[in-house]
Amino acid sequence: AQSVTQLGSHVSVSEGALVLLRCNYSSSVPPYLFWYVQYPNQGLQLLLKYTSAATLVKGINGFEAEFKKSETSFHLTKPSAHMRDAAEYFCAVSDHPGGGFQKLVFGTGTRLLVSP
Amino acid sequence: DTGVSQNPRHKITKRGQNVTFRCDPISEHNRLYWYRQTLGQGPEFLTYFQNEAQLEKSRLLSDRFSAERPKGSFSTLEIQRTEQGDSAMYLCASSSVSGARSEQFFGPGTRLTVL
Repeated sequence: AQSVTQLGSHVSVSEGALVLLRCNYSSSVPPYLFWYVQYPNQGLQLLLKYTSAATLVKGINGFEAEFKKSETSFHLTKPSAHMRDAAEYFCAVSDHPGGGFQKLVFGTGTRLLVSP
Repeated sequence: DTGVSQNPRHKITKRGQNVTFRCDPISEHNRLYWYRQTLGQGPEFLTYFQNEAQLEKSRLLSDRFSAERPKGSFSTLEIQRTEQGDSAMYLCASSSVSGARSEQFFGPGTRLTVL
């Protein structure tokens, strides 16, 4: 079964610093991978997704992620953090058996804290 | 607003009571998902509809839980005889394209507190 592991439940950075949120996956088939962001009291918003095209994926709000098969990783990065980036970030893998049904399997999340 | 909407946003109930949540997906989306998110965890899949048909249910969905999607539009999730362990955020998502490439759009969730 597909799964993801997010290393670090909390990550603290200063405004303007590099953001690196780690995600490793386990999948028996070529994975489809996603990063979602959740702001307080809101639902999840898709940041970016990897679906077997380019290994470097660019998303919204300046975020990007690189799929590395050899490392089974899909880490999320942003060159310069903004205060508005403070939120919970979830990595997810798609469990996509035949029939077009897509179940997302989420990691436990990483809370990004940004200090002035 | 054409996003996924959920009502109510918050529900407080006493143990043993029944509760029902509603999800209105994006209008052209034929696929609808329910997830449950407990404190400090990522969302966990509960069930999936394609149009009005419920095609997949998680083992997490005990017999106290029932979901419907009449006419393939809005969906309801009912929990009977609530327990304190049911306290969580219940998220609904919808998508329109078949296969794993489709993006799921999430609603704001319904936060359930069982006293």
